[in-house]
Amino acid sequence: QSVLTQPPSASGTPGQRVTISCSGSSSNIGSNTVNWYQQLPGTAPKLLIYSDNQRPSGVPDRFSGSKSGTSASLAISGLQSEDEADYYCAAWHDRSVVFGGGTKVTVL
Amino acid sequence: QVQLVQSGAEVKKPGASVKVSCKASGYTFTSYGISWVRQAPGQGLEWMGWINTYNGNTNYAQKLQGRVTMTTDTSTSTAYMELRSLRSDDTAVYYCARPWAAAGKGAFDIWGQGTMVTVSS
Repeated sequence: QSVLTQPPSASGTPGQRVTISCSGSSSNIGSNTVNWYQQLPGTAPKLLIYSDNQRPSGVPDRFSGSKSGTSASLAISGLQSEDEADYYCAAWHDRSVVFGGGTKVTVL
Repeated sequence: QVQLVQSGAEVKKPGASVKVSCKASGYTFTSYGISWVRQAPGQGLEWMGWINTYNGNTNYAQKLQGRVTMTTDTSTSTAYMELRSLRSDDTAVYYCARPWAAAGKGAFDIWGQGTMVTVSS
């Protein structure tokens, strides 16, 4: 059971907008920033969003993050086939880093 | 380029220990910490702990306290993670990752390629 709660799956057709939620508590998301990772099959995770809504250099602007209270969201607009991957949220919690259980995004 | 290169796959028996290495290049090793994250087959990510590469201070996940030790060799820019008393549920891919302090806690901008550790009798 993960400290941060994500839906196990999400899907959309090419060009659609997909949103992934990440629910936490006042001890993690409510008091610390949220980061998002993309993990393509068989590869290491890649930092996609940091500090709630910032994109590292090289990440397309169709990926965006937001946060409100104890929940955060990752949105993928203009979904592309190469976006099919697992997505994880992460936050600081009581002297440790906690991750969500992950959401598998399928491009139909 | 900035990269973390990990040691190869390991197969261990229950009760044994494993030590995984993570060699950094392309940046000043002691300017960034190193965290370790593992992922059991088909499962999510689990943070194991962090080491300050400058002074050796560590912070381990409570669940692994007493079984894990993280160390560094600054002369070779290499971090190590040793896990003892291995159990079958320690079977996982183990990643080292570089925390990006400017991005806030929990942001890891560089990852190693992963090391598969299999625990089986």
